[in-house]
Amino acid sequence: KAGVTQTPRYLIKTRGQQVTLSCSPISGHRSVSWYQQTPGQGLQFLFEYFSETQRNKGNFPGRFSGRQFSNSRSEMNVSTLELGDSALYLCASSWTSGRAGADTQYFGPGTRLTVL
Amino acid sequence: KNEVEQSPQNLTAQEGEFITINCSYSVGISALHWLQQHPGGGIVSLFMLSSGKKKHGRLIATINIQEKHSSLHITASHPRDSAVYICAVSQFPINFGNEKLTFGTGTRLTIIP
Repeated sequence: KAGVTQTPRYLIKTRGQQVTLSCSPISGHRSVSWYQQTPGQGLQFLFEYFSETQRNKGNFPGRFSGRQFSNSRSEMNVSTLELGDSALYLCASSWTSGRAGADTQYFGPGTRLTVL
Repeated sequence: KNEVEQSPQNLTAQEGEFITINCSYSVGISALHWLQQHPGGGIVSLFMLSSGKKKHGRLIATINIQEKHSSLHITASHPRDSAVYICAVSQFPINFGNEKLTFGTGTRLTIIP
């Protein structure tokens, strides 16, 4: 079974631009969570989707948004990029009909975003 | 104070040594996860546990719910175990949606041959 894939793997943008990152979960997994990892703040939860519905979100500004499609693939979008948005963005999928945090999460390789 | 605290932050040991990494948390949880992150960023889930003890190969994870504490042990450590080990807890949300993971800051483990 193929693992979680994320595209692109690396991205360089400038301040003010917007970016869209993509995540394809493991086949059959319906929950997709997104995380931001920075040297200063570590790993932080962004949001989680299940069956095209956002079930939970972290403490991030509205510039960060996401969606999930009927095939469980998910995208996250960051608008009006700031220097502080430079980070590794990870998605994880899990097989769950209920509680994403109480199920093993399978992580993708991440997208490393650099904002200049 | 962080909701999830790990210790030590950095750990260097000789090959073959027994390794212990600790995680304490201050919130109610439904599960605790131990993750491994190698250079380059990839994260692998090692354990998810809500009580007792789990073992996989040379790795052992324990959790004490009453004391809000978990430990990750590595027996007969090997240089390939060198990685960052991250503890994460799954909290029930207060007023919206599903559970989310809250992460510790990680323990950087280096095993010297």
